[in-house]
Amino acid sequence: AQSVAQPEDQVNVAEGNPLTVKCTYSVSGNPYLFWYVQYPNRGLQFLLKYITGDNLVKGSYGFEAEFNKSQTSFHLKKPSALVSDSALYFCAVRDRSARQLTFGSGTQLTVLP
Amino acid sequence: EAGVTQFPSHSVIEKGQTVTLRCDPISGHDNLYWYRRVMGKEIKFLLHFVKESKQDESGMPNNRFLAERTGGTYSTLKVQPAELEDSGVYFCASSQLANTEAFFGQGTRLTVV
Repeated sequence: AQSVAQPEDQVNVAEGNPLTVKCTYSVSGNPYLFWYVQYPNRGLQFLLKYITGDNLVKGSYGFEAEFNKSQTSFHLKKPSALVSDSALYFCAVRDRSARQLTFGSGTQLTVLP
Repeated sequence: EAGVTQFPSHSVIEKGQTVTLRCDPISGHDNLYWYRRVMGKEIKFLLHFVKESKQDESGMPNNRFLAERTGGTYSTLKVQPAELEDSGVYFCASSQLANTEAFFGQGTRLTVV
């Protein structure tokens, strides 16, 4: 069975500071990993994915994530946070035999001006 | 290109009533998924269509939920009769291939009172 943990319900960061949203996963075999973001009153929007290759994945809006196999982590990062990055972030995993995604419980990111 | 659209955006019904949610996937996407987020918890998989066929319905909570995708285009998810614990946000997603990222709709917020 696959699972995802997002240990922080809420992350607050000052505008201009770097941000990290944490994600760890459990899956048999090699995973596909995803980050999605939900802005207020909007649907889930795809940010980035790791399938294979370079452990550092770059995505939309300046976000990136680093795949760490030994720590089974896929933390989302951004060097300089914007107030407009405030949203709900979901990490998701899929093993290579499954079709559906398994999501974490989400992390509310608030960037303070 | 139009994204995944869901109707209605909000629905408030009484316990015991019937509600039908609709999802229009991105044109040409054979894979269609239903997910739901209950009480601010993680987003959970309900079922997966490939064209008009149910590929995996292991996440459907009970037989009060019925999903259809006639003709392999739009899909409906009917809850009959609705119970209080069915309240949550129901997301639909579609993808062109099973191993590519899924694109989500804005969700339907269902409240059962």
